[in-house]
Amino acid sequence: GAVVSQHPSWVICKSGTSVKIECRSLDFQATTMFWYRQFPKQSLMLMATSNEGSKATYEQGVEKDKFLINHASLTLSTLTVTSAHPEDSSFYICSASFGTRYEQYFGPGTRLTVT
Amino acid sequence: GESVGLHLPTLSVQEGDNSIINCAYSNSASDYFIWYKQESGKGPQFIIDIRSNMDKRQGQRVTVLLNKTVKHLSLQIAATQPGDSAVYFCAVSSHTGGFKTIFGAGTRPFVKA
Repeated sequence: GAVVSQHPSWVICKSGTSVKIECRSLDFQATTMFWYRQFPKQSLMLMATSNEGSKATYEQGVEKDKFLINHASLTLSTLTVTSAHPEDSSFYICSASFGTRYEQYFGPGTRLTVT
Repeated sequence: GESVGLHLPTLSVQEGDNSIINCAYSNSASDYFIWYKQESGKGPQFIIDIRSNMDKRQGQRVTVLLNKTVKHLSLQIAATQPGDSAVYFCAVSSHTGGFKTIFGAGTRPFVKA
């Protein structure tokens, strides 16, 4: 149980376009979802925390107008990278948790390449 | 803010030996500690966790030790195998921090046959 999926697993887009990444909890209702980005050979950096039905809380230094997060239901959160630039190329990973549990369940990640 | 650091970015281990990966954290309010394994191109995979009211927890071939006095966490892998080659991250969380998880830098054991 506690499976989290992401779609797409990889995407290539042109500079200036927007890309949407989906994160779904398949067998549980996720009250909280987290979005991370990871550059090559680096650790995961938390971008934002989203709770179902409310606005996401962004970490310092993360532009909320560039990385739009929507947590419309208990099983789906989306991250939209707007006006993508090559420096946005990264591995984006979501995780989900339920209730007040500490445990987070991670998705497989989405590789974004902006050309 | 919270900082989490692993002591060594790489670790060389003989196959069959035990591996020890160490991690230091800065926030004394941290109350939940997790070790993850990440293979190339994949999301983190949960290995083992420990809460602040414990100082040791064992899993299958893995043991986590927590020393809250010096804010130190370690992961021991028994009988290291080539399949254990991955990047290992320690991560810390606290209920006072909204359950946000802060990841350390990562260590990759190199398993020598």
